[in-house]
Amino acid sequence: DAMVIQNPRYQVTQFGKPVTLSCSQTLNHNVMYWYQQKSSQAPKLLFHYYDKDFNNEADTPDNFQSRRPNTSFCFLDIRSPGLGDAAMYLCATSRASGQGTYEQYFGPGTRLTVT
Amino acid sequence: DAKTTQPTSMDCAEGRAANLPCNHSTISGNEYVYWYRQIHSQGPQYIIHGLKNNETNEMASLIITEDRKSSTLILPHATLRDTAVYYCIVTRANDYKLSFGAGTTVTVRA
Repeated sequence: DAMVIQNPRYQVTQFGKPVTLSCSQTLNHNVMYWYQQKSSQAPKLLFHYYDKDFNNEADTPDNFQSRRPNTSFCFLDIRSPGLGDAAMYLCATSRASGQGTYEQYFGPGTRLTVT
Repeated sequence: DAKTTQPTSMDCAEGRAANLPCNHSTISGNEYVYWYRQIHSQGPQYIIHGLKNNETNEMASLIITEDRKSSTLILPHATLRDTAVYYCIVTRANDYKLSFGAGTTVTVRA
């Protein structure tokens, strides 16, 4: 089945130690998103790629960066994780063409723990 | 995007219909109503969306009032696996970003 895959499902990192989360998709969607979801809160969009174009949300900290080397893969880099960055990180995809409406397909998420 | 208001939580009995309300009184003519749900420890899942007509798919029905200021998501025969947080989101046509609100925590009880 076509899907959105996130690895690893659980990640533990140390305070200040860079960490990379990965997302891949077999849907061939042109838009990929990264959301942060803290405990008991709604998902919050960090940034997204529309094709190769990177779009950062205004309130996303500089500590968070992303790379999309090709259509299928997208990475979330946290340069210096703080305790407040512990959260579930969700990757999603959609097919956007400039017309119509777009459902997003989410991966299972990576739960990040910062020690 | 228009804001939405949903009840914080609701319970429903297994096998009965679950009716989830959402208010979006400032919705614009080109804004759609989307519903997603998030089962515990999983990513959100798309359920259904609509503009002004009622919509039905294999998961649920969406009833939008004539003035479009509110809508109801109907799960026709709730099961324990429908226990989740349900998000009502209003977004413009051609807007491929979602802004999640607090949602409604739905608990289906046996």
